[in-house]
Amino acid sequence: GENVEQHPSTLSVQEGDSAVIKCTYSDSASNYFPWYKQELGKGPQLIIDIRSNVGEKKDQRIAVTLNKTAKHFSLHITETQPEDSAVYFCAASTGNRDDKIIFGKGTRLHILP
Amino acid sequence: NAGVTQTPKFRILKIGQSMTLQCTQDMNHNYMYWYRQDPGMGLKLIYYSVGAGITDKGEVPNGYNVSRSTTEDFPLRLELAAPSQTSVYFCASSYHARGNEQFFGPGTRLTVL
Repeated sequence: GENVEQHPSTLSVQEGDSAVIKCTYSDSASNYFPWYKQELGKGPQLIIDIRSNVGEKKDQRIAVTLNKTAKHFSLHITETQPEDSAVYFCAASTGNRDDKIIFGKGTRLHILP
Repeated sequence: NAGVTQTPKFRILKIGQSMTLQCTQDMNHNYMYWYRQDPGMGLKLIYYSVGAGITDKGEVPNGYNVSRSTTEDFPLRLELAAPSQTSVYFCASSYHARGNEQFFGPGTRLTVL
């Protein structure tokens, strides 16, 4: 089955700097890669996703890149702000009817003042 | 729309007790999921359902049971609570499994003593 590895587990960056979180996956059939943000005391919320027919996707300060050959994808947050402090999860799915999304273990991002 | 709602928010159980975690969604989603989140371990899928009357096991189903009698409700049952079931439980739903956003509830924090 699919296995998703996520690094780093904790990341601290100065406010205004960029943050990068990286994930690798094992199943070459995976074609959907969402990123979720979990704020303290809340459930995860989708912030951006990418499908295998696209190499990069951007939404304001957030971007995701996908390298299908190397089986890795990354989340980039630019001009970080205090409200970016949260736990971020990457995930992968093959998109088959009974397929489940497999989540990484999460990255705790701290934005330092 | 209220989205995905979960009750209770917190619960303390004694070893061997039973309880049901409630989950309801009002988005007419076909797919529903139960995850548990242990510290530093990401999200593990317990059970999922692709529609009313259909349920299936996820990665960690032992010690749990589910039912799906309606599209809206997907309760999770713990029959004989054990300390290993201390965790935060999240219910989620999606319109379709194939690369669709999962909407999460706020979670239930369960402690088994």
